[in-house]
Amino acid sequence: DGGITQSPKYLFRKEGQNVTLSCEQNLNHDAMYWYRQDPGQGLRLIYYSQIVNDFQKGDIAEGYSVSREKKESFPLTVTSAQKNPTAFYLCASAAYSNQPQHFGDGTRLSIL
Amino acid sequence: GENVEQHPSTLSVQEGDSAVIKCTYSDSASNYFPWYKQELGKRPQLIIDIRSNVGEKKDQRIAVTLNKTAKHFSLHITETQPEDSAVYFCAASRVKAAGNKLTFGGGTRVLVKP
Repeated sequence: DGGITQSPKYLFRKEGQNVTLSCEQNLNHDAMYWYRQDPGQGLRLIYYSQIVNDFQKGDIAEGYSVSREKKESFPLTVTSAQKNPTAFYLCASAAYSNQPQHFGDGTRLSIL
Repeated sequence: GENVEQHPSTLSVQEGDSAVIKCTYSDSASNYFPWYKQELGKRPQLIIDIRSNVGEKKDQRIAVTLNKTAKHFSLHITETQPEDSAVYFCAASRVKAAGNKLTFGGGTRVLVKP
């Protein structure tokens, strides 16, 4: 959706480096989510947040961290502890946690 | 936790024919089932969803059916067109549980041949 902006579109990480993926929404949505998509596979939930200053681990949170200091922003940091970070990362938001989720255009992360 | 299986993994149909994709889920408490369409390199787009209080929902050429007893749900696309070619994902969640965490199936690559 036009209201969910992910940046950058492409990102390269060096060994031992932390990188941060941006997700911003201007839809006034309460809930935000981060998913990881590997080639030819479905999406897996990394972290989610239902409200500002609160977030929960998803199914594959190891090696990732998030923050939710503002309602419109939910950045994801891929730390050096994530040994296989190459993937397509998708951010989603929903008006409330019981409403449909809509996705941003994604960030493709690769290792140099 | 929830586990969602999706079949087939690839589906080739002739333009104008119907396409059917099936998903099964493991958590009997799941009550929300969305379907997403993803074109190559792009974001998934919600095309239809169904909640457990209904058995079928239609939107033009797309329909979804839900069988709660058997724990499976299906996407039906009628009169397929080349622009229907994409990867389709089903998902399941408990809407009223914390976070409405979606568990996705592995995807079905649909190719509509002109």
